[in-house]
Amino acid sequence: DGGITQSPKYLFRKEGQNVTLSCEQNLNHDAMYWYRQDPGQGLRLIYYSQIVNDFQKGDIAEGYSVSREKKESFPLTVTSAQKNPTAFYLCASTVAGGPTYEQYFGPGTRLTVT
Amino acid sequence: QQQVKQSPQSLIVQKGGIPIINCAYENTAFDYFPWYQQFPGKGPALLIAIRPDVSEKKEGRFTISFNKSAKQFSLHIMDSQPGDSATYFCAAVSTLLNAGGTSYGKLTFGQGTILTVHP
Repeated sequence: DGGITQSPKYLFRKEGQNVTLSCEQNLNHDAMYWYRQDPGQGLRLIYYSQIVNDFQKGDIAEGYSVSREKKESFPLTVTSAQKNPTAFYLCASTVAGGPTYEQYFGPGTRLTVT
Repeated sequence: QQQVKQSPQSLIVQKGGIPIINCAYENTAFDYFPWYQQFPGKGPALLIAIRPDVSEKKEGRFTISFNKSAKQFSLHIMDSQPGDSATYFCAAVSTLLNAGGTSYGKLTFGQGTILTVHP
């Protein structure tokens, strides 16, 4: 089964702690993305990566960090510097050279920070 | 700065009705306009997409109408069913170049519309 997996589905953390969200894909896609979804605000781009060992900031990168050591994996770390980290986080990927509008999304991780 | 504005925020129709969701954009560099459908607890999935040189695209019960001069586009769902109840996002794609000269698409999403279709 090809697809994108995100784990865990629900994550709870105390304020001040860093937390890492997992994203793995076996679609052989080159580009991967992280979005944050908040009610009434749509999806906002946090970081994206087109190739291994390279990534770019999106529109709301402050307080987040990523790595891309393998093509299949693009973990997101929510740091204590993120002012309002409670949200639904979505990972997506696209194939290089394919339709740029066709992003494949994982099932998401709901992060709650108290 | 919201580059793609979507309305309404929520919409309730009866089965068989034709819900219409509208989006407006400002950036004329956008070169594709997809719609995504998201069910609760799931990630969005591509529903249908249109290029700016086409005024209408239909796939099954879903139709995109596109007005380039007004910089607006809309999604119509014909003969809506309870199974269509979901959140719908419009989006716009801008094609950018990375440092290595490879093109990639950046999606800018609208705020989303929660559609409820009553039986």
